Amino acid sequence: GAGVSQSPSNKVTEKGKDVELRCDPISGHTALYWYRQSLGQGLEFLIYFQGNSAPDKSGLPSDRFSAERTGGSVSTLTIQRTQQEDSAVYLCASSLDGRVGQPQHFGDGTRLSIL
Amino acid sequence: AQSVTQPDIHITVSEGASLELRCNYSYGATPYLFWYVQSPGQGLQLLLKYFSGDTLVQGIKGFEAEFKRSQSSFNLRKPSVHWSDAAEYFCAVGADTGGFKTIFGAGTRLFVKA
Repeated sequence: GAGVSQSPSNKVTEKGKDVELRCDPISGHTALYWYRQSLGQGLEFLIYFQGNSAPDKSGLPSDRFSAERTGGSVSTLTIQRTQQEDSAVYLCASSLDGRVGQPQHFGDGTRLSIL
Repeated sequence: AQSVTQPDIHITVSEGASLELRCNYSYGATPYLFWYVQSPGQGLQLLLKYFSGDTLVQGIKGFEAEFKRSQSSFNLRKPSVHWSDAAEYFCAVGADTGGFKTIFGAGTRLFVKA
């Protein structure tokens, strides 16, 4: 597709379960970002991938959160042992080359609800 | 460190009225500035961006923004609001410090009344 694709669009799970969120960036974009948006809040940076460089994980809130990007394209954000405070919309974005002046293109997000 | 402040959590305007959404940033040099819009259930869409040059930038959907260095502001404006403009608006700043991070403000939710 032409844009950033995220799946699933909605995910409801029980506390303590693991979840995987998927992001398919725009073809040719080397930079990929994950953000968390809690209700009524701005965007909280989670992790950044740029090409083959080591990802910047400085925004991950705990060691329950991890992400990988295979083949420089699709990325998966994994949350282990989910907690209710993990409930949020998780947004993925990509940009052409990761330079700060490049605009980011966002997917529609995954709305995660932890029961 | 960079920061972005959007002083208004929400704003209500009448359809056809003019709009101004405020954004203040903190950064030592000239930053990269962006405005994004988020409609319900969707991701963010870029409205406009400023890097250098003319301080008044035009964007999509009839929006414009003006960079004022003296006030560290980058306010978003539209002369006549349409009901479809109801959404959340985010100001963002990026700094070319060798890093990559774009910092987003907390957002301003725009309500449009008939």
